[in-house]
Amino acid sequence: GENVEQHPSTLSVQEGDSAVIKCTYSDSASNYFPWYKQELGKRPQLIIDIRSNVGEKKDQRIAVTLNKTAKHFSLHITETQPEDSAVYFCAETTGANSKLTFGKGITLSVRP
Amino acid sequence: DVKVTQSSRYLVKRTGEKVFLECVQDMDHENMFWYRQDPGLGLRLIYFSYDVKMKEKGDIPEGYSVSREKKERFSLILESASTNQTSMYLCASSSNRVFRYEQYFGPGTRLTVT
Repeated sequence: GENVEQHPSTLSVQEGDSAVIKCTYSDSASNYFPWYKQELGKRPQLIIDIRSNVGEKKDQRIAVTLNKTAKHFSLHITETQPEDSAVYFCAETTGANSKLTFGKGITLSVRP
Repeated sequence: DVKVTQSSRYLVKRTGEKVFLECVQDMDHENMFWYRQDPGLGLRLIYFSYDVKMKEKGDIPEGYSVSREKKERFSLILESASTNQTSMYLCASSSNRVFRYEQYFGPGTRLTVT
């Protein structure tokens, strides 16, 4: 069945440092991998996504990489800022009914 | 701009009560979802719907039912609320018209069952 695991469950970095959050998945038919950010008291929002035919995608300070052979994908945040502090959820889908399977979330804390 | 609204931000109900949580989206999305969010457990899918009057069980449907009589509205029903259903409930919607599967979430309803 579908399963997405996130590592680590919490991460604390110094402002200005980089942060990397990794997810592994089990379904080889998965073809779309989004990352959602949920700030405290707010709703989750999509911040970046990647399709299975692409190895890397960047958007300013964030990037996502995908390794289909190893079945893992990672979120990279460079030059972290306090406003990056949030819970980050990875997800995957095979496209069936547009259903996403989410990981349990990682709490990122950026220390000023 | 996509807007997903939920009927209540906070709700307190007693054990055994029937509870209705309403979700409305204004972007003509085909797909709608109900999740519950608990600390350390992430977002768990309760039910989803990909068309009016259609529903599919998610990962944790026990104790819940849903209704989708109109495209823009998706209701979650707790037939007989129990204390273990105390949680944050999030509704989401997405479109089939773009190959992105992006889900737009509502603000959430924090339900407390006493």
